Amino acid sequence: KAGVTQTPRYLIKTRGQQVTLSCSPISGHRSVSWYQQTPGQGLQFLFEYFSETQRNKGNFPGRFSGRQFSNSRSEMNVSTLELGDSALYLCASSEGTNPTYEQYFGPGTRLTVT
Amino acid sequence: AQSVTQPDIHITVSEGASLELRCNYSYGATPYLFWYVQSPGQGLQLLLKYFSGDTLVQGIKGFEAEFKRSQSSFNLRKPSVHWSDAAEYFCAVGAMEYGNKLVFGAGTILRVKS
Repeated sequence: KAGVTQTPRYLIKTRGQQVTLSCSPISGHRSVSWYQQTPGQGLQFLFEYFSETQRNKGNFPGRFSGRQFSNSRSEMNVSTLELGDSALYLCASSEGTNPTYEQYFGPGTRLTVT
Repeated sequence: AQSVTQPDIHITVSEGASLELRCNYSYGATPYLFWYVQSPGQGLQLLLKYFSGDTLVQGIKGFEAEFKRSQSSFNLRKPSVHWSDAAEYFCAVGAMEYGNKLVFGAGTILRVKS
């Protein structure tokens, strides 16, 4: 099976712009979770989607949003970018929506905001 | 609320030496505990997990971890480290009530001396 795919792998944006990141889960996986990884804050949970519904949300401002499509692919959007949004954004997919299901992580999208 | 502490930011060991990475968690109910490894520029790979049962769990790449409820710890061990083990290691905790949300520790960077 192909692994989790994230596109693009690298992105450079300017403050105030918006950005959309994409995550294609492993075939058959219906849950997609997103994490932000920064040197200062570490790995922080953004949100989880399962069957097109947001199941959990982390403590991020409303500028961070996401959605999931019927084929389980997910996108996250960040509007009005700030310098502090520079990070590695990781998505993970799993078959179900509880911690007994293994989560498989993608390679991440490296976002740089200038 | 859940939290994870990894007290060691960096650890350096000689190749062939044993390794122990420390992890302490805080969660009132039954924790679901994980160790992940991240190589530079890569996503996270699951090394092992603990849900219940035998408190000593075996993982991939020769790693094992021991769950000690009385100490709220889940330390990762390897009897003999290889140069290819150099990476960053993350301990994480999950819970049924939070779906696939994981709370990660700050990570421990492992350096291997030849």
